[in-house]
Amino acid sequence: GENVEQHPSTLSVQEGDSAVIKCTYSDSASNYFPWYKQELGKRPQLIIDIRSNVGEKKDQRIAVTLNKTAKHFSLHITETQPEDSAVYFCAALSGGNNRLAFGKGNQVVVIP
Amino acid sequence: GAVVSQHPSRVICKSGTSVKIECRSLDFQATTMFWYRQFPKQSLMLMATSNEGSKATYEQGVEKDKFLINHASLTLSTLTVTSAHPEDSSFYICSAQRGGPGGAEAFFGQGTRLTVV
Repeated sequence: GENVEQHPSTLSVQEGDSAVIKCTYSDSASNYFPWYKQELGKRPQLIIDIRSNVGEKKDQRIAVTLNKTAKHFSLHITETQPEDSAVYFCAALSGGNNRLAFGKGNQVVVIP
Repeated sequence: GAVVSQHPSRVICKSGTSVKIECRSLDFQATTMFWYRQFPKQSLMLMATSNEGSKATYEQGVEKDKFLINHASLTLSTLTVTSAHPEDSSFYICSAQRGGPGGAEAFFGQGTRLTVV
């Protein structure tokens, strides 16, 4: 099945700087890659996603890039703010079983 | 986005008792729902895949007799923790995938904080 690796596990950034989280996946047939943000004690919320026919997608301060050849995709947060502090999960949809495989999560801390 | 409702959000129970957690997709039909367990500061650990009208598929290491899953309709899946023990205390969260061309968005319930005393 699909295996998703996420790095780094923890990331601290100064407010206003950019944050980048990278994920790799193993199944070359995976075609959908969402990112979720989970604030403490709350449910994960979808913040952005990308499909395999697109290389980049942007929504205000967040963007996702996909490199199918290298099998990795990244989340970029620009002009970080304290409310961006959360755990971010990447996922990949395995075409074989139509199941999302999640990375282990990344704790992002934005320092005011 | 779609709404998935999970109930209860918090429950405290005595050792040896059973607890049922409900997961409902409110505005779409979910043939498949997923149950996760999450420990503090850790990732989502998939426990089982709940399939409407058939038996759930459990991940390796998850006791099917302890974590009973029922998916009786396209909008409701339940997880029953039987004979609960303190080590079962955790955050349980469900998700439902809404399929579509080229992708399957997952929507999560609000989670259930289970404390076994």
